[in-house]
Amino acid sequence: AQSVAQPEDQVNVAEGNPLTVKCTYSVSGNPYLFWYVQYPNRGLQFLLKYITGDNLVKGSYGFEAEFNKSQTSFHLKKPSALVSDSALYFCAVRVLNDMRFGAGTRLTVKP
Amino acid sequence: GAGVSQSPSNKVTEKGKDVELRCDPISGHTALYWYRQSLGQGLEFLIYFQGNSAPDKSGLPSDRFSAERTGGSVSTLTIQRTQQEDSAVYLCASSYTNSGNQPQHFGDGTRLSIL
Repeated sequence: AQSVAQPEDQVNVAEGNPLTVKCTYSVSGNPYLFWYVQYPNRGLQFLLKYITGDNLVKGSYGFEAEFNKSQTSFHLKKPSALVSDSALYFCAVRVLNDMRFGAGTRLTVKP
Repeated sequence: GAGVSQSPSNKVTEKGKDVELRCDPISGHTALYWYRQSLGQGLEFLIYFQGNSAPDKSGLPSDRFSAERTGGSVSTLTIQRTQQEDSAVYLCASSYTNSGNQPQHFGDGTRLSIL
């Protein structure tokens, strides 16, 4: 069985500082990895994905994520956080037809 | 439309009533997914469709839940004899195919409240 973990329920950063939202996974095959963001009263929005190739993936709104196979991690990063980045972030892993989402990390960026 | 559309956006009903939630996926998307999200928490997978077929119904929490999809487009999720624990946001997503590298595109959900 596959699973995905987001070890932090909450991440707080100051505007302008770099941010990291952590994600680790456990799969029995080659995973496809995704990050989504959810704003209040909205559905999830796709940010970026890792399928194959370069371990550093760039996505929407200046976000990027690094796939680390040895550590089974796919952490989301941004060099300089904005207040508008405050939202709920979900990591997801997919193997074949099985898609699993993490429990989510609430990011708060303070001015 | 340009995105996944769900209706109603909010539904309040009494315990024991049946409810029907609707999802209109992005045009041309063959795969459609239903999830349940409680209190801003993680997503619980319910069911997915490839075309009109539902290969994986394993996530449906009880036999009170059912879903169908017709014409390879609109899907309805029906909850019979609703219970208070059914209160949640029900999210629908679609993707071009069910291929693993395709991101899912989500609607804004139906917020269901059972009194």
